Amino acid sequence: AQSVTQLGSHVSVSEGALVLLRCNYSSSVPPYLFWYVQYPNQGLQLLLKYTSAATLVKGINGFEAEFKKSETSFHLTKPSAHMSDAAEYFCAVSERGTSYGKLTFGQGTILTVHP
Amino acid sequence: DTAVSQTPKYLVTQMGNDKSIKCEQNLGHDTMYWYKQDSKKFLKIMFSYNNKELIINETVPNRFSPKSPDKAHLNLHINSLELGDSAVYFCASSPGLAEGQETQYFGPGTRLLVL
Repeated sequence: AQSVTQLGSHVSVSEGALVLLRCNYSSSVPPYLFWYVQYPNQGLQLLLKYTSAATLVKGINGFEAEFKKSETSFHLTKPSAHMSDAAEYFCAVSERGTSYGKLTFGQGTILTVHP
Repeated sequence: DTAVSQTPKYLVTQMGNDKSIKCEQNLGHDTMYWYKQDSKKFLKIMFSYNNKELIINETVPNRFSPKSPDKAHLNLHINSLELGDSAVYFCASSPGLAEGQETQYFGPGTRLLVL
């Protein structure tokens, strides 16, 4: 069975500061991992995904994430936060070949960016 | 040229009513999904169809009945609406279920309020 835990339901940073959103997963087979962003009253937009190529994945808007199998983690980072990054971020996992594409989401992390 | 579209965007209705939500994708994808996001923003899969065939049914009450008239459409009909059905319902699609086809693209959501 697959599951995702996002540590910290709220993260607050200053504009220009490092953003670090934590995600740990559990999967019985090699996983696909995703980060999605949701702006208020909008749908989910894909930020980036890991599908077994490079372990450091670059996404849109300057975000990147590193897959660490030994730590079962897929933390999301951005070197310098921008006001427009304020949103809710969801980490998700699906299991290769067994889950029929089913995405299991973490509980989400709300990112607040202060001027 | 919206990729995944849903109608209506907002739906306010009385308990006991029957309502439908429609989803269409113009990406040529084979697989479509319905997710429910509750008031705590937790996202959970409800159904998935691949080539018009049901492949995931996540113990959703049988008051919910998905219908896929063709690969580009996946509609959700809800009978005898209950207060607990109030949520945001997201439709998503992915190219398919094979390796490399796993990325899901989400619609803007339908905000259902049952009074």
